[in-house]
Amino acid sequence: GEDVEQSLFLSVREGDSSVINCTYTDSSSTYLYWYKQEPGAGLQLLTYIFSNMDMKQDQRLTVLLNKKDKHLSLRIADTQTGDSAIYFCAEGFSGGYNKLIFGAGTRLAVHP
Amino acid sequence: NAGVTQTPKFRVLKTGQSMTLLCAQDMNHEYMYWYRQDPGMGLRLIHYSVGEGTTAKGEVPDGYNVSRLKKQNFLLGLESAAPSQTSVYFCASSADERESDEQYFGPGTRLTVT
Repeated sequence: GEDVEQSLFLSVREGDSSVINCTYTDSSSTYLYWYKQEPGAGLQLLTYIFSNMDMKQDQRLTVLLNKKDKHLSLRIADTQTGDSAIYFCAEGFSGGYNKLIFGAGTRLAVHP
Repeated sequence: NAGVTQTPKFRVLKTGQSMTLLCAQDMNHEYMYWYRQDPGMGLRLIHYSVGEGTTAKGEVPDGYNVSRLKKQNFLLGLESAAPSQTSVYFCASSADERESDEQYFGPGTRLTVT
């Protein structure tokens, strides 16, 4: 079945790098996503990676995909207090609609 | 553009009561979705719609009904609320079904059933 796992909490110091990890079970997904949820708000797409790519970089964000180990990571460089949020990993599947399977989310806390 | 809006933002129901959650999008999107978010779990799809007049079941549809009478609106109904339906409900929309197409989320409705 489809399952996405994430650690629930990460605490980092402002200015350090954050690495949020995600593992998944179903390798038939075509895209993998990172969503950000700020307090009291809906989810916002941060970035996504096509399943045949290994890495994608977008300004402070770096996504690494290890298909063999079914492991996805999101690295945030120079983490700021504004990055404090919950980060969700999700797998995307084709089949008539944009099917997303979400992990439980990682709460990132950035402290001075 | 307002994007995706949801009403109400908060609601408390007693067991057995009914209510309807409204989702509206102004992006002319074909696809709309209702999810629920529970502590320690990822978002789970309740129902979705691939266009006006269509609806389909998602992962956890029991106890919910939906309607898409107008393209811009997607309604989620609870006919007889149960404490197990205490959750945060998110609506989302996307232009089409491609996996590369972003789903845009509303701010959520926090529902408590006592």
